[in-house]
This record gives sequence, C-alpha cells and structure tokens, in this order.
Amino acid sequence: GAVVSQHPSWVICKSGTSVKIECRSLDFQATTMFWYRQFPKQSLMLMATSNEGSKATYEQGVEKDKFLINHASLTLSTLTVTSAHPEDSSFYICSARPGLAATDTQYFGPGTRLTVL
Amino acid sequence: SQKIEQNSEALNIQEGKTATLTCNYTNYSPAYLQWYRQDPGRGPVFLLLIRENEKEKRKERLKVTFDTTLKQSLFHITASQPADSATYLCALDKGGGGADGLTFGKGTHLIIQP
Repeated sequence: GAVVSQHPSWVICKSGTSVKIECRSLDFQATTMFWYRQFPKQSLMLMATSNEGSKATYEQGVEKDKFLINHASLTLSTLTVTSAHPEDSSFYICSARPGLAATDTQYFGPGTRLTVL
Repeated sequence: SQKIEQNSEALNIQEGKTATLTCNYTNYSPAYLQWYRQDPGRGPVFLLLIRENEKEKRKERLKVTFDTTLKQSLFHITASQPADSATYLCALDKGGGGADGLTFGKGTHLIIQP
C-alpha cells in the first residue's frame, strides 16, 4: 500500500528556534499534500494544502509566515515552524493524495511530535 | 464551517459484540465521508469512504452507512476484537469538491474488552 513517512518522528527545541519537518510519499507521486495539527484529545485540524510547484493554501487563522510550506517535488513537502513558541507544541501530521480527484484516498504519515521548551 | 460530532469520547464493548459509532454533521452535505482509525501517537489510517449517493459500504467486518437526510453516518465493527481498540475518526470533505482537505471529528475511543 501507499506509504507516507515523516521525519523527524519527534523533536524538542528551544523557544525562538525554527524546526523543519519533512513529509515524503515513498511509493507514489503526490500531487497534493496536506498538513494537519492535532492537540491532545482534539481533532486533526487542517493547516494548509500544498500543491507541487505552487504556493500553499493556508486555512483561516494559520499564519503563513510562521508555518512555511515547501512542496518542491511530487514526493516531498516540508513544513518549517519558524520562531517556535511553547504554544506551537503539538502533533503535526501530513497526508498525501496520489490523484487529482477529491475522493482519492489521503495517506497519512506517522506524525511528528513537536515540543517547544 | 462544518461541525462534526462523534457520539461519545469513549465506548466500551465486549469482545465478539458489534460496536456502533456515530458521526453527525451540522452544515452542508459533504460529497463524501470517510472513517479512519488512529492509534496513540500515530497518524490516521484510512478505513472506508462512502459517497453522498451511497447508502452503505462494507469491508470485511466493517460497515458504514450514510444518511444525508439525518446528516449522520454510522460505523459498525462486527465480531469485535481487542485489536480493534483504537480511536476512530469521522472526516468530511471541506466542501468545494473536497479539494481543500478534510474536516475531522474528535473521534471515539473504542475499547474492546476480552
């Protein structure tokens, strides 16, 4: 089946530093990748939609200058949390969709646990 | 925006029984609805997708129904096993053909007791 990986699986950083999270589709090309955030006992919240070769579309309330997304190839998208603060501590999950149809299955990565001290 | 409610935070079921989870949405009717399984500290795993013009979908021990009049989907696991214990998430397309990603419910934590 389709596999999506994320790296790192967890990261601890100091307040004010930047952290980059990678999302890779291992055995398929992903036209579209999505980034979600999940706080404890909460639902996954969509942060942004990333299309290869174009600018990401951010959801309302998500600061695009703080959460930089780069979808440089059909198998790689990166999320950079800039000037991280403790309130950015969360579980970040990406998903990748192999096709263009909205009903094409999204395959999720295993998530990255970010802790900002 | 779409609001999704899943019936309970936790559901305890005896092994071998059928577990039934509920997902209700409040606003626009989605083009499709999906169910995912999420284990602690892991990303969601896709289980089933049902389209607005479908009433029921089955996959092995899983069954999903979709009632657009009631704005509700039911997710059934028959002959439940302890290995089915996990959090189950209901997700809808965000609208506009689903091109904008998914809106998720908070999930129901299912516990299958031996």
